[in-house]
Amino acid sequence: NAGVMQNPRHLVRRRGQEARLRCSPMKGHSHVYWYRQLPEEGLKFMVYLQKENIIDESGMPKERFSAEFPKEGPSILRIQQVVRGDSAAYFCASSPPNSARRAGEQFFGPGTRLTVL
Amino acid sequence: DAKTTQPNSMESNEEEPVHLPCNHSTISGTDYIHWYRQLPSQGPEYVIHGLTSNVNNRMASLAIAEDRKSSTLILHRATLRDAAVYYCTLCNDYKLSFGAGTTVTVRA
Repeated sequence: NAGVMQNPRHLVRRRGQEARLRCSPMKGHSHVYWYRQLPEEGLKFMVYLQKENIIDESGMPKERFSAEFPKEGPSILRIQQVVRGDSAAYFCASSPPNSARRAGEQFFGPGTRLTVL
Repeated sequence: DAKTTQPNSMESNEEEPVHLPCNHSTISGTDYIHWYRQLPSQGPEYVIHGLTSNVNNRMASLAIAEDRKSSTLILHRATLRDAAVYYCTLCNDYKLSFGAGTTVTVRA
C-alpha cells in the first residue's frame, strides 16, 4: 500500500516563476492537507481540501498561493511569482474519509523542498 | 494556538527507555495531545495521540497527567532508528502545528 506521494522532491525556481507541487494521497484517502515548514518557524497548516472542495484555506497566504484537489488526479499546490521567502519544505498529508477531525492521525508525504533563487 | 514546551534535545543509549516530556499548561478541554516524529529529509510520522487516558501502541506509550497540563512520550527500548525530532502538539481540529520539538540522539 503506497504512502502519500509528492513530486517533485526538490524544485528550484527563479524569482517570478511559478511552482507547482503535486500530492497523491494514500489509496482510499479523500482528505488532503498542505503544510509549510520553515527552518525557524516549524510546521504550519496551509489548507485542507476534499475532492473538488476547499474546506479551510485559513493558513494560505492571501496572494500568489492556490490549491486544488480535482475529482481525478493529484492535489496541486500552486505558487505564482515565487519570491525568496517562499523557499521552504512543503508537506502534504492525507487522512481517510471517516477519520475524526480532532483525533485522526494524518499521513505525511516526503515533502517538496522548494528553493527560490 | 495552544502552546507546548519541550526540551531541545535528549540522548539515550540503545535498548534503553526514553522519556520525552511535554508541557501544555494552556490546554483546553477539547484538545487532543498528538505526537509526531520526523527523520532528516523526511515527512513527519504519526506516533501516538490521546485525550485523557494513557495510551499504548506498537511504537510508544503516552502518559498524560491527571490535570492534562503535561504529558510524556515513552519509547520503551530505543533503537538507532528512533533517532529523530519528536513533536508534541495540541489539536482540536485538523490543523497540526509543530514547534522546534525534541531532537533525540540514540547512542549505539
